[in-house]
Amino acid sequence: GQNIDQPTEMTATEGAIVQINCTYQTSGFNGLFWYQQHAGEAPTFLSYNVLDGLEEKGRFSSFLSRSKGYSYLLLKELQMKDSASYLCAVEDAGNMLTFGGGTRLMVKP
Amino acid sequence: DTEVTQTPKHLVMGMTNKKSLKCEQHMGHRAMYWYKQKAKKPPELMFVYSYEKLSINESVPSRFSPECPNSSLLNLHLHALQPEDSALYLCASSQDPRNTDTQYFGPGTRLTVL
Repeated sequence: GQNIDQPTEMTATEGAIVQINCTYQTSGFNGLFWYQQHAGEAPTFLSYNVLDGLEEKGRFSSFLSRSKGYSYLLLKELQMKDSASYLCAVEDAGNMLTFGGGTRLMVKP
Repeated sequence: DTEVTQTPKHLVMGMTNKKSLKCEQHMGHRAMYWYKQKAKKPPELMFVYSYEKLSINESVPSRFSPECPNSSLLNLHLHALQPEDSALYLCASSQDPRNTDTQYFGPGTRLTVL
């Protein structure tokens, strides 16, 4: 079975840095994805990690530790438009995605 | 073209109606997916088509009937739905179902069952 945990909600200030954590226990692991989803819209792809370490993409970075079953998404220089849900999703040995519950991030001025 | 399109955007139907949701992609992707998403919940996988063949059905009730007429199109036929089936229905596609490829989502169809 799959078990993916993320905080339900987070609040941060514009211009700051925020880290969204995700822990997982899955049967088989083929990689971990982060998606951003604005209210009423479809998820959009942010990042993919399959090896341990940090992947940086502009203001967003994602980290993976497979031995700890842990990932985080780091958002720098927060902007108001970053207010959204951030979904951690793990791909299992069958290439199927299971999503965590999502973290609703609120960015305040 | 890196887009997955879905029609209609919104659909309201009664419990006795028959309707269809449509999904289209022209990226040459050979895996297509239907997800159901209730408010403030993550997407839940319903069906997976791999090379136009149904490969996964996540115990979805028979009132939902998927169809993949060709490699670019995916339909979801709806019949005798219940009010609790009201949700956002998301279509996604990925390049190769045998590999770990990013899934790209369509904008979704917001379904309301009265």
